[in-house]
Amino acid sequence: QKEVEQDPGPLSVPEGAIVSLNCTYSNSAFQYFMWYRQYSRKGPELLMYTYSSGNKEDGRFTAQVDKSSKYISLFIRDSQPSDSATYLCAIRSSGNTGKLIFGQGTTLQVKP
Amino acid sequence: GAVVSQHPSWVICKSGTSVKIECRSLDFQATTMFWYRQFPKQSLMLMATSNEGSKATYEQGVEKDKFLINHASLTLSTLTVTSAHPEDSSFYICSAELAGPTYEQYFGPGTRLTVT
Repeated sequence: QKEVEQDPGPLSVPEGAIVSLNCTYSNSAFQYFMWYRQYSRKGPELLMYTYSSGNKEDGRFTAQVDKSSKYISLFIRDSQPSDSATYLCAIRSSGNTGKLIFGQGTTLQVKP
Repeated sequence: GAVVSQHPSWVICKSGTSVKIECRSLDFQATTMFWYRQFPKQSLMLMATSNEGSKATYEQGVEKDKFLINHASLTLSTLTVTSAHPEDSSFYICSAELAGPTYEQYFGPGTRLTVT
């Protein structure tokens, strides 16, 4: 079993739709949860970061963590064509090792 | 957010030569930097963890003599691909981690290496 599971998609939605992206993880030691957006041939961009269960909102983006279920989500409201990218969840354990464990990435296409 | 730069963004080299890629944290100090490799339509593969002033820690299967990493200062890490071969052609991305307690990691824009 992979430490982090993410459906690679692709996911195609019409402009303005609410997008839900999800990851599950297996190790309860994971403490820090991040979502990255990566455009083709670019480095990943940190979108959201959280370290506790619950919701965190930033503009059109909401990150949700449920530690009891080992499940994290990213919601995108009012999706735009410019949101078309690959979204990667990343999880880090506590301590100083620093390694991020990435999901496979979900490719999202928002159609005008 | 914090900014990480990489140079060059794209490099073509001949088989057998060496190539150096620089990674800089522009507006913060990073005691820890990471080097990743990414193949088309795949997720990032961690190659090594680089700590300032000490030897890098390589992931299993990564040849340390081929991929030389140096982290000489709190804002600069370099990756040198030695005796490059066509199979080393890939997208190389570095990241830098903010010191605790948040441990956010910021990525550079990546370097596309093509070995002919």
